Amino acid sequence: QVQLVQSGAEVKKPGASVKVSCKASGYTFTTYGLSWVRQAPGQGLEWMGWVSTYNGNTNYAQKFQGRVTMNTDTSTSTAYMELRSLRSDDTAVYYCARGGASFDPWGQGTLVTVSS
Amino acid sequence: EIVLTQSPATLSLSPGERATLSCGASQTVTSNYLAWYQQKPGLAPRLLIYDTSSRATGIPDRFSGSGSGTDFTLTISRLEPEDFAVYYCQQYGSASLTFGGGTKVQIK
Repeated sequence: QVQLVQSGAEVKKPGASVKVSCKASGYTFTTYGLSWVRQAPGQGLEWMGWVSTYNGNTNYAQKFQGRVTMNTDTSTSTAYMELRSLRSDDTAVYYCARGGASFDPWGQGTLVTVSS
Repeated sequence: EIVLTQSPATLSLSPGERATLSCGASQTVTSNYLAWYQQKPGLAPRLLIYDTSSRATGIPDRFSGSGSGTDFTLTISRLEPEDFAVYYCQQYGSASLTFGGGTKVQIK
């Protein structure tokens, strides 16, 4: 079955960077792009951007431009999202999701906590 | 970017009742590229509807989507106990994808 499995929870200090991984299985990795969505505690969903698993092209939400990098490793069917210059309001669950339009399925989520 | 406004914020209903959730867009959603997701506490969202009215794989037919332009609706014909959750709409008609703020469907 199609599955996205993300890396484990992270605790980071303000100003640091975090890199979250998302390993895909059950389908041909390069057939679908991958998107990243985050959810702050008790809040709604926020789209961060998309990466093409075919050629590495990206489309980042303007809010994250310059601070985020999304890429993939097709040899391991894994996508990565790195967020830099972390602030306390970056504390959230970060999800990867298959697709660049509607998203199906989603990874289980990775909690990133930013605290001094 | 397109702002999606969902109403009501909270819907209190009993099992067996009909639920009608609204999603309004600040500008026309190109090609009615609108999706709906269900999220339960502690879990990732699940795709219910895409392209305004197409059900995702495995989604029961009590879930239906409709609308066009700037006004969209998710209808749950008869609420089952497992349907009490938060629902989000999302548009993908523009390069900057956006989500609505969500509607919580809770047991009355």
